Amino acid sequence: DGGITQSPKYLFRKEGQNVTLSCEQNLNHDAMYWYRQDPGQGLRLIYYSQIVNDFQKGDIAEGYSVSREKKESFPLTVTSAQKNPTAFYLCASSHPGGMNTEAFFGQGTRLTVV
Amino acid sequence: AQTVTQSQPEMSVQEAETVTLSCTYDTSESDYYLFWYKQPPSRQMILVIRQEAYKQQNATENRFSVNFQKAAKSFSLKISDSQLGDAAMYFCAYRPGAQKLVFGQGTRLTINP
Repeated sequence: DGGITQSPKYLFRKEGQNVTLSCEQNLNHDAMYWYRQDPGQGLRLIYYSQIVNDFQKGDIAEGYSVSREKKESFPLTVTSAQKNPTAFYLCASSHPGGMNTEAFFGQGTRLTVV
Repeated sequence: AQTVTQSQPEMSVQEAETVTLSCTYDTSESDYYLFWYKQPPSRQMILVIRQEAYKQQNATENRFSVNFQKAAKSFSLKISDSQLGDAAMYFCAYRPGAQKLVFGQGTRLTINP
């Protein structure tokens, strides 16, 4: 089945550690996105990529880094520079434009700082 | 800056009745796409309906329909015959062409039996 997979579902990070959230899709989508969702709030864009080896900062990129070495994969690293990383993280993918341009989402990763 | 505003943090409706969720957006683009997503307690994002800006006809998907007012930059979602399973967070989203997808703050919809 085609879809988008995020792992792990739950992740715990100690203060000062970097952690990497995985996002893989087999939908042959060019565009991929990372969003952060805090309790009771909307989705804020962290990074997005429209093509392999290229990505752009979103509205809250500070303290995060990404790579896009393969079309299928768009991992997000939460660095120690992110002061308040506890949140729900959603990855999405889509065709870059035109018809069928809606985004498909993974099931999310809940990151907690301990 | 491209922004999406949902002015209703919470809404409630009696089962079987109709409810309308509001969304406005700010853009200078002429070609773009608009979406409504549903996020139930499972937190899985589910596409409800989409609208291409160049289409004048309002999109409809079963009990869900939109009122797209391009000049007013308004994109409201109407849910008819509300069901208990419609209870969720609803997010309006905007995408200009091949650019980034921007979401509103969300509206929490409660269905009263």
